Amino acid sequence: ETGVTQTPRHLVMGMTNKKSLKCEQHLGHNAMYWYKQSAKKPLELMFVYNFKEQTENNSVPSRFSPECPNSSHLFLHLHTLQPEDSALYLCASSRERNEQFFGPGTRLTVL
Amino acid sequence: QKEVEQNSGPLSVPEGAIASLNCTYSDRGSQSFFWYRQYSGKSPELIMFIYSNGDKEDGRFTAQLNKASQYVSLLIRDSQPSDSATYLCAVKEDDSWGKLQFGAGTQVVVTP
Repeated sequence: ETGVTQTPRHLVMGMTNKKSLKCEQHLGHNAMYWYKQSAKKPLELMFVYNFKEQTENNSVPSRFSPECPNSSHLFLHLHTLQPEDSALYLCASSRERNEQFFGPGTRLTVL
Repeated sequence: QKEVEQNSGPLSVPEGAIASLNCTYSDRGSQSFFWYRQYSGKSPELIMFIYSNGDKEDGRFTAQLNKASQYVSLLIRDSQPSDSATYLCAVKEDDSWGKLQFGAGTQVVVTP
């Protein structure tokens, strides 16, 4: 595996379900990010992890819970989501404060 | 409210012509500027970054930055049908970890 990988690529869940998104980077980077991309809207930064420490929580509802066990892995735990949370969730990584590289994304549909 | 503005398009460009995309930003503290290309249904792909005023060229792409006027542009020379995509402009304050502010993107359609 190279670059930034994300699983699953597609996820359909009910509002009462609990699921997790996984991101792994193979670039030796030390910062990882979660973004949300909704149709016709700019990418929204959700969380930033720098050396496993969360440095940014962009006013994200508590039904989204990030976890960063090490500098290569990032998770986004989901529970009691709403239909408006349906979107493309993108993970990115960077070395220090430099250019960010994105994974393929998880297309999430909340029924 | 920090904003990054882009014309949503679509920008229709004949094959072989130059595509010119513009991006303006509101935060004068922005120090780093990025252009990403996003094909439909795919994730953003970094194509250019620029930190200093002036032009930066990479193959068929040229990024132009004017901090005084708070705009950054992207030129695509010899446009190809494979350049048809949405181009996202992103800006970042130099001392902030990862706070990229994205524009909504400009859709480019290259017609044969």
